[in-house]
Amino acid sequence: ETGVTQSPTHLIKTRGQQVTLRCSSQSGHNTVSWYQQALGQGPQFIFQYYREEENGRGNFPPRFSGLQFPNYSSELNVNALELDDSALYLCASTQFGQGDYGYTFGSGTRLTVV
Amino acid sequence: AQSVTQPDIHITVSEGASLELRCNYSYGATPYLFWYVQSPGQGLQLLLKYFSGDTLVQGIKGFEAEFKRSQSSFNLRKPSVHWSDAAEYFCAVGPTSQGNLIFGKGTKLSVKP
Repeated sequence: ETGVTQSPTHLIKTRGQQVTLRCSSQSGHNTVSWYQQALGQGPQFIFQYYREEENGRGNFPPRFSGLQFPNYSSELNVNALELDDSALYLCASTQFGQGDYGYTFGSGTRLTVV
Repeated sequence: AQSVTQPDIHITVSEGASLELRCNYSYGATPYLFWYVQSPGQGLQLLLKYFSGDTLVQGIKGFEAEFKRSQSSFNLRKPSVHWSDAAEYFCAVGPTSQGNLIFGKGTKLSVKP
């Protein structure tokens, strides 16, 4: 089975720009979550998608938005980038309804905002 | 409020020595508990998870963890550490009402030769 894949692995953006990060969920998983991990911190929950709809959101502003596609892949969009958005962005997938919440994480996208 | 506390920011152990990483949680219901490991610049790899049943859980790479409800703890252990175990370790609890996991701030493990 394939794991969670994320692209790109690294990117550098300028403050005020917009960025799109992509995630392909593990085969058989229908739920995708996104986390932000700042340097030296644990991952912080951004939002979760199930059946192409956002069904959970953490304490992040509306300029963080996302999509889930029929094949369960997902995008994270961040508008009006700020320096504090520099972080590792992790995507995780699971099979909702399976009952064990076995989240599989990707290797992440390292975003640097300058 | 739901939370996870990992009291040790950084631990250094000698190769071959035993290891225990501490994790305390606050959670209203019966928690699902997880330990993940992260190598530098990498994503998170699941070491083990606890949902119910036997409170001593075996994971990959020779790790185990014990759930103690009375102490709200889920400490990770390994009897003999290898140099390749040097990494950052995260304890997590969930799911929340939003369906996500809550992570601790992590414990960085260094291994002395």
